[in-house]
Formats: sequence, structure tokens, C-alpha cells
Amino acid sequence: GIQVEQSPPDLILQEGANSTLRCNFSDSVNNLQWFHQNPWGQLINLFYIPSGTKQNGRLSATTVATERYSLLYISSSQTTDSGVYFCAVALSGGYNKLIFGAGTRLAVHP
Amino acid sequence: KAGVTQTPRYLIKTRGQQVTLSCSPISGHRSVSWYQQTPGQGLQFLFEYFSETQRNKGNFPGRFSGRQFSNSRSEMNVSTLELGDSALYLCASSPLAGSYNEQFFGPGTRLTVL
Repeated sequence: GIQVEQSPPDLILQEGANSTLRCNFSDSVNNLQWFHQNPWGQLINLFYIPSGTKQNGRLSATTVATERYSLLYISSSQTTDSGVYFCAVALSGGYNKLIFGAGTRLAVHP
Repeated sequence: KAGVTQTPRYLIKTRGQQVTLSCSPISGHRSVSWYQQTPGQGLQFLFEYFSETQRNKGNFPGRFSGRQFSNSRSEMNVSTLELGDSALYLCASSPLAGSYNEQFFGPGTRLTVL
């Protein structure tokens, strides 16, 4: 089956720093989503980005589908950015089945 | 527009019991998918429902089942609970069936099996 690998697994930043999270996937996909899991467990949608580049405030994401990777950029990080970031993909096949990476755990210190 | 809602939020059961979890999708969304999150296995797909039909099922034993009602609300049931079923169960909704659809998640039900 498809493999989804996220790096780094853990990231510690000082407030104000920038970071790049990476997601590699092993097959063609027609859905790629980035989520932030809050401390209560809910997955918050950040981006739906099967290809191209999007920006939302301090966050932006780029997916290069032909090279099978996606990047999530966080600029001027804040303590509220702490948590786990997940990348999830769905194969071209008709099913609403997301396959998740193991996540990147981000800690932002003041 | 209200988001995905799940009830109950927390549940404690003992081994051998059964449990039913409920999910109400975003208004107008017709597809509901369920996921299990554990520290050891991460987030795993359980099943997907669309138009009251199960379209796909993940690699879980038959103790895990579900259904969808005509108003798109969905329930999942776990029978004969085992300690390993302790997990966060997340429900996601999307407008239609099809892997290209963006999925939106509810707050989850945290199940503890003692």
C-alpha cells in the first residue's frame, strides 16, 4: 500500500522562528490534506492541496505531485502553533479513505 | 454552518461490553468516514459510508461495524470490547463520495476500555 512519511518527527522552536514540515508519499494521489491536531484531539483542517501552492496567514503549503511530496511552512511561529501536524493522502480510486503519516510533533517555546 | 459533531465525547467501558458511537456530519454532507487513533498505530481508516451504504472498510475485525441513516448521520459499533480498542475515534464528513473530496473531522470520542 501507499506509504506516507513525515519529517521531522519532532521539532522544537523558539517563538518567532520559521519551520518547514515535509510529507513524502509513495504513489499518485488526488487528495492531500494537512491537519493540526489540537490538545483535545480534534483535527483542524489547514490545507486541502493535492497540487500547487496555497497560503493562509502565517501558514503556506506546496505540493509537487509529480515528485510526490508536500511541504508545510510555518512562519513567525507562536506558542499556539504547538501540537501535532498530520499529512494525509487519498489514492485515486474513488474512496474517501485518508492515509495518514505519523505526524510531526511541534513545540513552540516563548 | 455547524461542524461535525460526535457523541459521546468520552466513554469508559469494560472488556466484553459493546459500545455505539454517533456522528452527525456537516449539513449537506453525505459521506461519513470513521478513523481510529492509537499511540501505537496512529490514525487508521475504519470505514466509509455514503447513501446508507458502506463503500469501503479498513483492516479491522468484524467486531467493528457501522451504519448510516437516511439523514446521513452515522453510528459505529464495537462489540466484545478488548483493551486494545481503547482509542480516540474520529468521524469525518465530506460532501460526496470520492477520494478527491476534502474531509472535515469532528472532535472525536475518547473510548477507554478497562
